[in-house]
Amino acid sequence: NAGVTQTPKFQVLKTGQSMTLQCAQDMNHNSMYWYRQDPGMGLRLIYYSASEGTTDKGEVPNGYNVSRLNKREFSLRLESAAPSQTSVYFCASTPGNSGANVLTFGAGSRLTVL
Amino acid sequence: AQSVTQLDSQVPVFEEAPVELRCNYSSSVSVYLFWYVQYPNQGLQLLLKYLSGSTLVKGINGFEAEFNKSQTSFHLRKPSVHISDTAEYFCAVSEVTSGSRLTFGEGTQLTVNP
Repeated sequence: NAGVTQTPKFQVLKTGQSMTLQCAQDMNHNSMYWYRQDPGMGLRLIYYSASEGTTDKGEVPNGYNVSRLNKREFSLRLESAAPSQTSVYFCASTPGNSGANVLTFGAGSRLTVL
Repeated sequence: AQSVTQLDSQVPVFEEAPVELRCNYSSSVSVYLFWYVQYPNQGLQLLLKYLSGSTLVKGINGFEAEFNKSQTSFHLRKPSVHISDTAEYFCAVSEVTSGSRLTFGEGTQLTVNP
């Protein structure tokens, strides 16, 4: 049981380049999330998808776009990368859209923008 | 909107000593509270959660936390730590009425020294 799988694990970009982070879950979860983790700031929600076909902005959505491709997959796109987007990105999922649900996290994607 | 403050960014302790990691939250409505742990180069995993009922919650690896509504706190404790408990710990809160959008604290790095 793989849980939540993120690709790539590491990526180095130059300012202005674009890229997509991929996330897939095999737990039949309805809700999926993208967080970024920066030192001293904890995890901040970028975008989330409460259910297939819906997406909503989180706390720090600027510079990002998302696609809920199907129930399993939720991708995060950086159209024009900036050094401020250097971070570790985590995808997570929950069975449904309840605050009582426990997040299952992927292993993370470390992105460096030069 | 909810918020979380972890009062200590770093906590160094010796092996077999007790430890307390402090977490305060702010919300105008009822909340669910969580502690997640992140081992080096891994994603986050659930340590314990408070949803309702008994204010003393027991989690994995001998950790426990106490929900104190009057002080809006959810401190994490362990009576005797091991080297393997070295990790970053995150307190998180979600409001009962706002779906599964978790707000994380800044994180506390626990370092257990021999």
